[in-house]
Amino acid sequence: GAVVSQHPSRVICKSGTSVKIECRSLDFQATTMFWYRQFPKQSLMLMATSNEGSKATYEQGVEKDKFLINHASLTLSTLTVTSAHPEDSSFYICSAPTSGRGTGELFFGEGSRLTVL
Amino acid sequence: GIQVEQSPPDLILQEGANSTLRCNFSDSVNNLQWFHQNPWGQLINLFYIPSGTKQNGRLSATTVATERYSLLYISSSQTTDSGVYFCAVEPWGGADGLTFGKGTHLIIQP
Repeated sequence: GAVVSQHPSRVICKSGTSVKIECRSLDFQATTMFWYRQFPKQSLMLMATSNEGSKATYEQGVEKDKFLINHASLTLSTLTVTSAHPEDSSFYICSAPTSGRGTGELFFGEGSRLTVL
Repeated sequence: GIQVEQSPPDLILQEGANSTLRCNFSDSVNNLQWFHQNPWGQLINLFYIPSGTKQNGRLSATTVATERYSLLYISSSQTTDSGVYFCAVEPWGGADGLTFGKGTHLIIQP
């Protein structure tokens, strides 16, 4: 199957610092990628849709200034958690459709576990 | 938005047993996927099945789109099948990512 890779898999940071998470599609190009957040023992919640060459689309209630998304190329999207606080601690997972754009089967990265002290 | 309900929320079985997990959704969909989340958090694609029936080894899935539900069958369960199974859907006409159900937490005991 298609491969989506995330880095880093784990990160621990101090409160007030910023953390960048990378999501790469390794064997296909994607003009659209999706970022999800998962709290312990809960489901995945869509945070935003990353669009190559244009601004990301954020779900209601997600602060765009807190969670900066940049879709720099057809194979890379980044999520930056700015001025992180303990409540931002969570599991962040990206995904991309193998169709490259919008709908179609989605594959997910390995996820990034963020702990803010 | 579209609602996705999975049942049962928790299921404990002995090794070798069969199980059926259900996913109900509230609107027409053009994408439905089943995932297994392993203990490390990785989502493993099981089926891409907006309609019809598919089988892969001991697992099979059926989606009846007109009645807005999907079923995941696991036969001859193994301890490695333990984990959380998620159903996720994309509403018809949307290209807005998947909406996930709350999952079924499956424990297979030896």
